Amino acid sequence: GAGVSQSPSNKVTEKGKDVELRCDPISGHTALYWYRQSLGQGLEFLIYFQGNSAPDKSGLPSDRFSAERTGGSVSTLTIQRTQQEDSAVYLCASSLAGTSGGVGEQYFGPGTRLTVT
Amino acid sequence: GDSVTQMEGPVTLSEEAFLTINCTYTATGYPSLFWYVQYPGEGLQLLLKATKADDKGSNKGFEATYRKETTSFHLEKGSVQVSDSAVYFCALSDGGDTGRRALTFGSGTRLQVQP
Repeated sequence: GAGVSQSPSNKVTEKGKDVELRCDPISGHTALYWYRQSLGQGLEFLIYFQGNSAPDKSGLPSDRFSAERTGGSVSTLTIQRTQQEDSAVYLCASSLAGTSGGVGEQYFGPGTRLTVT
Repeated sequence: GDSVTQMEGPVTLSEEAFLTINCTYTATGYPSLFWYVQYPGEGLQLLLKATKADDKGSNKGFEATYRKETTSFHLEKGSVQVSDSAVYFCALSDGGDTGRRALTFGSGTRLQVQP
């Protein structure tokens, strides 16, 4: 079956511009996560969705970052007024909701490489 | 808060050598533990997992045992191959009462296996 897909695979943008990154999770996965991977910071959690709501936004680094999820499926991560330090690979993952408070296995997409010039 | 510490890389081994990558963690709850692998040019893949103390996760010849008493989850393989060359990430998810289901990752360990 289809895995997690992300688009675009690469994005180069000028400092100060807004960007939108898209994630299509595995069908039926109710949980969706955004992470970013950068040389200096490693793998960092950004935001977690359960259905269309985001109970954990604690990893968003500033108010320039926002995300939404519609129809319990596709999610969009938006970065406004991009800065050079936003350059990273943005990863999306999805999972089935865990049972008894447990955690479903997360499946990762290939990522979007964002370069801010 | 939660954290994961894993050994610095790169780890360079000859083919058929024994591999250990150390991983220790701190967590407020009772976490699930994972090893993820990132092959060159590819995305993150789950390698193995363990959800409770003394569980052993295994896959592709790799093993790791959840040790609550030492808060560790060391990755081992008896005989590495060139194709095992990748970056390995230890991670935890403290998805219990806290409700926080995100993964907390270690910094990653690059493994280079030479023929």
